[in-house]
Amino acid sequence: GQQVMQIPQYQHVQEGEDFTTYCNSSTTLSNIQWYKQRPGGHPVFLIQLVKSGEVKKQKRLTFQFGEAKKNSSLHITATQTTDVGTYFCAGVKSGGYQKVTFGTGTKLQVIP
Amino acid sequence: DARVTQTPRHKVTEMGQEVTMRCQPILGHNTVFWYRQTMMQGLELLAYFRNRAPLDDSGMPKDRFSAEMPDATLATLKIQPSEPRDSAVYFCASGPRPDTQYFGPGTRLTVL
Repeated sequence: GQQVMQIPQYQHVQEGEDFTTYCNSSTTLSNIQWYKQRPGGHPVFLIQLVKSGEVKKQKRLTFQFGEAKKNSSLHITATQTTDVGTYFCAGVKSGGYQKVTFGTGTKLQVIP
Repeated sequence: DARVTQTPRHKVTEMGQEVTMRCQPILGHNTVFWYRQTMMQGLELLAYFRNRAPLDDSGMPKDRFSAEMPDATLATLKIQPSEPRDSAVYFCASGPRPDTQYFGPGTRLTVL
């Protein structure tokens, strides 16, 4: 079956440092989404990427979809304590009924 | 601001008891998902409904779990009988499409 892996599993950064999480799918995706889950909270939809090579920005967050549509990345510039949480990617496999598979998540801790 | 609601928010029960979790999707959303989240397994898809019809419940232990949508405003997830290994946070999510999901606050289940 489809697998979506994320690395790293955990990341501790000093406030102000940059952070990147990578998402890799075992199959080609039609699109990919990113979610953020704060500690004790629920996943919240951040963004969707659809096109090969697509790059989108939300303030300090930059999302990229790979050319082969099998990988993606989320980069946060100058992290803040409000960025703390777990970041999930979720891939939609091409074809079928659009099954969504969530990645394993990257837990970010920001040290003030 | 439309939100997915889930009840109860917390449930503590004894092994062998029946547990019913309820979800009210956002009005107009035709896709509904049930997920289970644990530290060890991450976010697991249990069931997926589109227009109230079950499309995928391959992630759900069939012998004890059941998921239904009696109407468009209610989704239920039942566990009978419950076991300690079922302890987890159960999320319901709805969306206009599978690739844009809005999560509820979750039900934290503890089975003693």
